[in-house]
Amino acid sequence: AQKITQTQPGMFVQEKEAVTLDCTYDTSDPSYGLFWYKQPSSGEMIFLIYQGSYDQQNATEGRYSLNFQKARKSANLVISASQLGDSAMYFCAMREALESYNKLIFGAGTRLAVHP
Amino acid sequence: GAGVSQSPSNKVTEKGKDVELRCDPISGHTALYWYRQSLGQGLEFLIYFQGNSAPDKSGLPSDRFSAERTGGSVSTLTIQRTQQEDSAVYLCASSSTREETQYFGPGTRLLVL
Repeated sequence: AQKITQTQPGMFVQEKEAVTLDCTYDTSDPSYGLFWYKQPSSGEMIFLIYQGSYDQQNATEGRYSLNFQKARKSANLVISASQLGDSAMYFCAMREALESYNKLIFGAGTRLAVHP
Repeated sequence: GAGVSQSPSNKVTEKGKDVELRCDPISGHTALYWYRQSLGQGLEFLIYFQGNSAPDKSGLPSDRFSAERTGGSVSTLTIQRTQQEDSAVYLCASSSTREETQYFGPGTRLLVL
């Protein structure tokens, strides 16, 4: 079974609108971390936001927020006020404290296109 | 401060040749990771180094792949007898500890003809 599932291969949004990128995960480890990375066409992976499994509040970083629903095992990324520069691939990733503690497990990614 | 650097940025080689990819982590980061990203795919873990501990090689796809980390800093990923299926972007990341966020380098794009 996939540990990280990103069901949206592609999304588009109008500039200045908000967009939600979906991520569901599968783990039996009680302690884990969830990450979102952005990969522009230039190829580098840029860290955006982190949510720990024991964090009581949803993580926020500027225009990025993480809608963490633990019971549903989802960690959706919300980008508010989209900008043209947000056009990129977005990857959800997980690190488990026990089973995969030495690595990040990545989803297949969602390609976001922001239209003017 | 300086981020993770990788060299070369691009490498074209012929099938059967050996290649070496280099990663220079963020200064002070003790954990170093190599990942591979095939065209249009997510990232696949290859190997992890933590200080002077034995590396976690569980992600290496075959014995043609090896990596070392000298002096707890710079790492080299070596692919022997390259095959066309080795064509991918090889990304290196580092973190201050295993539990902390991983920061990635720009990657090396390898093309095996």
